[in-house]
Amino acid sequence: AQTVTQSQPEMSVQEAETVTLSCTYDTSESDYYLFWYKQPPSRQMILVIRQEAYKQQNATENRFSVNFQKAAKSFSLKISDSQLGDAAMYFCAYRTLLQGAQKLVFGQGTRLTINP
Amino acid sequence: DAGITQSPRHKVTETGTPVTLRCHQTENHRYMYWYRQDPGHGLRLIHYSYGVKDTDKGEVSDGYSVSRSKTEDFLLTLESATSSQTSVYFCAISDPRGGEQFFGPGTRLTVL
Repeated sequence: AQTVTQSQPEMSVQEAETVTLSCTYDTSESDYYLFWYKQPPSRQMILVIRQEAYKQQNATENRFSVNFQKAAKSFSLKISDSQLGDAAMYFCAYRTLLQGAQKLVFGQGTRLTINP
Repeated sequence: DAGITQSPRHKVTETGTPVTLRCHQTENHRYMYWYRQDPGHGLRLIHYSYGVKDTDKGEVSDGYSVSRSKTEDFLLTLESATSSQTSVYFCAISDPRGGEQFFGPGTRLTVL
């Protein structure tokens, strides 16, 4: 079974600085999806970024980018120019590409604080 | 935003009572999911559905049942609520083509 580990329960960063959140996963599959979700105090789960394992290029969405290291099974999220609105819980998630198996496996989450 | 609603949004109940949470979608997506979120555990899958009347268990299914009689509705039932089922419950949907899941606003359930 796949597992996802986020080893940083809490992180903090100064506004306008850059922060990197770590995620590692365990799988024997070669094709899969990886995601980062953001959960602000409103509790809503918001998709931040996704990465297909077969793509070598790291995904980027505005100030959010990932460092996908397939061999190391590492999927970190970099937030550039941090803003107060980035304060939230961040969850890393894995999804297999096996037919019929549409389930996500989540990490435990990292709480990000932005200091003004 | 994906059209997903959950009802109720908050509920307080007593141990031993039955509870049903409802998830409703307007996206016509095939897959629907129920998760619970607890501190230190992230989101854990309770049950999911891959079509009308087609459901399967997730990793924390004990004490829960589900039903899906229509594409748009997915019900989660706690037959006899216990204090360990105090949690925030999320419904999600997904389109097989996209891979990602879209989440409802969550239901906070407190079992006294």
